[in-house]
Amino acid sequence: GENVEQHPSTLSVQEGDSAVIKCTYSDSASNYFPWYKQELGKRPQLIIDIRSNVGEKKDQRIAVTLNKTAKHFSLHITETQPEDSAVYFCAASRVRTNFGNEKLTFGTGTRLTIIP
Amino acid sequence: GAVVSQHPSRVICKSGTSVKIECRSLDFQATTMFWYRQFPKKSLMLMATSNEGSKATYEQGVEKDKFLINHASLTLSTLTVTSAHPEDSSFYICSAPGTRGEKLFFGSGTQLSVL
Repeated sequence: GENVEQHPSTLSVQEGDSAVIKCTYSDSASNYFPWYKQELGKRPQLIIDIRSNVGEKKDQRIAVTLNKTAKHFSLHITETQPEDSAVYFCAASRVRTNFGNEKLTFGTGTRLTIIP
Repeated sequence: GAVVSQHPSRVICKSGTSVKIECRSLDFQATTMFWYRQFPKKSLMLMATSNEGSKATYEQGVEKDKFLINHASLTLSTLTVTSAHPEDSSFYICSAPGTRGEKLFFGSGTQLSVL
């Protein structure tokens, strides 16, 4: 089955600086890579996702890069703000045409703290 | 966007009792529902996948007789924790693919505390 590793487990950055979280996956059949932000006791919130046919995707201060050959993908948050403080999870799954999303495997999580 | 409603949000029960958690897709049909468990400060671990009209598929190490899953209709999936023990205390959360099949929509989660 799929195995997703995530680093670092904790990350503290000064407000305004950039944060980078990295993940690797094992199953070459995985083709969908979402990133989630989770606050304590709440559901994960999708912040950005990328399909395997794309190498990079950006949405305002958030970007994701994917290296299919090396099986790793990264989340980049620029101009960090205190409200970015949360736990972030990467995930990987296979989406099959006409069958939809197969099970999502999550990384171990990164606790991001933005220091004002 | 699609909404998955999960109830209850929090439950406290005595050891040995059973607890039922419901997840409903409100504005779309969920033929598949993924059930996850999350221990404090840990990741979400898939427990099982329920499919409407067929038996659920359980992940390795998850006892199917303890965690009963029923996907009764295209809009309702339930997880029953039978004979709950303190070690079952956890955050349980369901998710379903939307109609386009790619993005997953999560319920709000159920915090189970077994005394």
